[in-house]
Amino acid sequence: AQSVTQPDIHITVSEGASLELRCNYSYGATPYLFWYVQSPGQGLQLLLKYFSGDTLVQGIKGFEAEFKRSQSSFNLRKPSVHWSDAAEYFCAGPPSGNTPLVFGKGTRLSVIA
Amino acid sequence: GAVVSQHPSWVICKSGTSVKIECRSLDFQATTMFWYRQFPKQSLMLMATSNEGSKATYEQGVEKDKFLINHASLTLSTLTVTSAHPEDSSFYICSAPPAGGDTQYFGPGTRLTVL
Repeated sequence: AQSVTQPDIHITVSEGASLELRCNYSYGATPYLFWYVQSPGQGLQLLLKYFSGDTLVQGIKGFEAEFKRSQSSFNLRKPSVHWSDAAEYFCAGPPSGNTPLVFGKGTRLSVIA
Repeated sequence: GAVVSQHPSWVICKSGTSVKIECRSLDFQATTMFWYRQFPKQSLMLMATSNEGSKATYEQGVEKDKFLINHASLTLSTLTVTSAHPEDSSFYICSAPPAGGDTQYFGPGTRLTVL
């Protein structure tokens, strides 16, 4: 079955440190992949997306993600985390363009001083 | 980017009453909208796919007679929780891709609390 997996339930990083959130997918063809962020009690905000082309994708708020077909991964990175980045992060990928998103279970990011 | 709104943002109701939640695409048309439910500290679970001008498609285990979906126009889908019970308390989120687009945009969510 097509799925998206986020292995880490909760990650804590120090403010100013680098961040990498993991996401693995299982799809036959090149997938559409997304990273969303959700603050408590809020909807989801799109950080970045990958459809094709350059495997390093730049997003908003200083985030980037790299698509690696050989590892079936689409990890989210940020070089220097800010306290305001504390939130829930979801990796998602539909089987094709206009179908429901399949979400990973999410990774909760805590940022400490 | 495209904007999706939801109304109300939160609602408290008595057990047995019905609650209607609206999802609107403000600056684009959406032939399809999706309704998700999210319990605390959990991921989003797809409830149904709302199709403009036709019946919604429900995921397995979701009662279509309890969660009524209407997609009357290209910018509005409504979810009505009928005869709500405390176990229906949750965070309901809608999303929509612009017609012909590949990216889904999410509403801010509706917090439903059933007493």
